[in-house]
Amino acid sequence: GNSVTQMEGPVTLSEEAFLTINCTYTATGYPSLFWYVQYPGEGLQLLLKATKADDKGSNKGFEATYRKETTSFHLEKGSVQVSDSAVYFCALSDRNSGSRLTFGEGTQLTVNP
Amino acid sequence: DGGITQSPKYLFRKEGQNVTLSCEQNLNHDAMYWYRQDPGQGLRLIYYSQIVNDFQKGDIAEGYSVSREKKESFPLTVTSAQKNPTAFYLCASTPHRVAAFFGQGTRLTVV
Repeated sequence: GNSVTQMEGPVTLSEEAFLTINCTYTATGYPSLFWYVQYPGEGLQLLLKATKADDKGSNKGFEATYRKETTSFHLEKGSVQVSDSAVYFCALSDRNSGSRLTFGEGTQLTVNP
Repeated sequence: DGGITQSPKYLFRKEGQNVTLSCEQNLNHDAMYWYRQDPGQGLRLIYYSQIVNDFQKGDIAEGYSVSREKKESFPLTVTSAQKNPTAFYLCASTPHRVAAFFGQGTRLTVV
């Protein structure tokens, strides 16, 4: 079956630091990959997505590249802000599972001023 | 504005009670989902529905029930058979094979 593995958290950074959150996946088909962000007490918001190998998703300064050879979709941001503090989830869906999403366990990011 | 509305935001359940969580969407999406989130963990799929009057069990369906009588609505009932219902419940919807849109969640607590 499908699975998503995220780097263990929590992650604490200073403002303007570089961020990487690792995500690797296992899927039987050719999945679409997503990063979602969750602010305290709220639902999930789509941050970015990539639907095929070598695609780069980007939004709000965040980027992730779909690497089929390493089955990875690492999230990066060059300079984090305090407002980026949230929980980040990597997820995938594939044709075999329709629109079902498989999530990683989430990574808590705290950015200090 | 289009979106997904979950209600209530907070819900308290006594031991042995059934409670129903509401999820309504006006995005005209075919598929709807219910996820459970426990502290420090990812989301686990409870039930999902891809068309009206049809739904399938997810990974942790025991102790839960759903209905899909209208395209816009996908209520979740947490029954007394669910032994550990305290969690954050998230509803989502999606057009076919596109990223999901999530509601703001319902926090259920057993008192």
